[in-house]
Amino acid sequence: KQEVTQIPAALSVPEGENLVLNCSFTDSAIYNLQWFRQDPGKGLTSLLLIQSSQREQTSGRLNASLDKSSGRSTLYIAASQPGDSATYLCAVRRTNDYKLSFGAGTTVTVRA
Amino acid sequence: DTEVTQTPKHLVMGMTNKKSLKCEQHMGHRAMYWYKQKAKKPPELMFVYSYEKLSINESVPSRFSPECPNSSLLNLHLHALQPEDSALYLCASSHPKGGWDTEAFFGQGTRLTVV
Repeated sequence: KQEVTQIPAALSVPEGENLVLNCSFTDSAIYNLQWFRQDPGKGLTSLLLIQSSQREQTSGRLNASLDKSSGRSTLYIAASQPGDSATYLCAVRRTNDYKLSFGAGTTVTVRA
Repeated sequence: DTEVTQTPKHLVMGMTNKKSLKCEQHMGHRAMYWYKQKAKKPPELMFVYSYEKLSINESVPSRFSPECPNSSLLNLHLHALQPEDSALYLCASSHPKGGWDTEAFFGQGTRLTVV
């Protein structure tokens, strides 16, 4: 069974600081890994998708890395802004499987 | 367009009511999903439809009944729910497994309260 862990559970930083969010998974036989953002009471917004064959994916201020062999992914958010305050979830899809296994999320607060 | 639209946004229902949640996407995705999310917890998979056929039922109680009338629509019929079923219900879609890209897109959810 795939176990996904996100550390830390919560993070508070001043505006302008870079954010580093960690995700680890136990089964390296993954198809892809996806990072989501969720605002309180809202749905999930897809941020980045990394295929199992990729090491890195970038979109604007966001950069996600994937080390499949060690079962880790890291989401970097550069120059954080108060609007980045949200919960960030990582989810792993196993090879040939519909199911996304989610971590519990990291709740980020960026202080103005 | 990467939008998944869910209606209604909020729903309050009694334990004897029958109601339905609706989900629509026009991305050509042939896999559609229902997830349930309790407060401060990650989403939990309920059902998966692939090519309009039920592919996965995660042992969900029969008071939840999914339906996929066509490739763009997904419904969740609710009947005789319990207060503990109150949660955020999320719909998602993606290309089916085995495709080159199975990025999942989620709707904004329906906040369900059972009284």
